[in-house]
Amino acid sequence: QQQVKQSPQSLIVQKGGISIINCAYENTAFDYFPWYQQFPGKGPALLIAIRPDVSEKKEGRFTISFNKSAKQFSLHIMDSQPGDSATYFCAASMNSGYSTLTFGKGTMLLVSP
Amino acid sequence: EAGVTQFPSHSVIEKGQTVTLRCDPISGHDNLYWYRRVMGKEIKFLLHFVKESKQDESGMPNNRFLAERTGGTYSTLKVQPAELEDSGVYFCASSSQGAGEAFFGQGTRLTVV
Repeated sequence: QQQVKQSPQSLIVQKGGISIINCAYENTAFDYFPWYQQFPGKGPALLIAIRPDVSEKKEGRFTISFNKSAKQFSLHIMDSQPGDSATYFCAASMNSGYSTLTFGKGTMLLVSP
Repeated sequence: EAGVTQFPSHSVIEKGQTVTLRCDPISGHDNLYWYRRVMGKEIKFLLHFVKESKQDESGMPNNRFLAERTGGTYSTLKVQPAELEDSGVYFCASSSQGAGEAFFGQGTRLTVV
C-alpha cells in the first residue's frame, strides 16, 4: 500500500516556466510534509517543508501548497532554471517530523534552457 | 562540518554473497536511519537507531538484513546472503534529538547479479 502518491513521474519545463509536482496522502496522522531535492550521485536534501496548520509556505522560488481536507500538497517552482533539474520527492511524517519519513516515488524534473 | 558519509558508493556482488554497507552520521546525531530505493519505486524506510539501540526495525525486509550501530557512532548494514531483489540504492540519514530534519548521505548503489 503506497501511502504517499506522487505525480507526475517526469516533467519537462522550459526555462522561466512553472514546475508543479503533486502529492496525495492517506494517513491523517501525518503532520509534517517535506520536499526533498536530489541531484545525480547525491543524497536527497531537504528543500522546503510544511505543517498542516498553514495552507501555503514560500521560500524564494519554491512554494508548497497544502490542502488538508483533500489530503493533497504540491510543490511549485516559479521561474524554473536549468539548475533546478533534479529528482524531487515529497514525503510525510508523524510527530512533527520526528518520526520516519514516508516518501513518494519521485519526479524527475528537466528544465530546458 | 562533514555530512553523512556512506561507503562504498557502488557495490556489485553475485547472488549468495555477503555485502556490508557502512554509514558515518553527522557527529553528535543520535538518530540514524536506513532507507532503500529500488529502481522506479519510492524511498522506503528500513530501520531507525537512537544511539546504539534499534528504535524501529519494522521496515527490514527479512532476516537476511542485519544492522548494527557500534557505540552509537557509525552503522553497518549487512546483507547475507544477497538476492537479486536486494538491488537498489541504500541511503543513510541522521538527525539530532532536538531537530526533526534528517540529513541524507549520497547512498550506496548495490547491484546483485
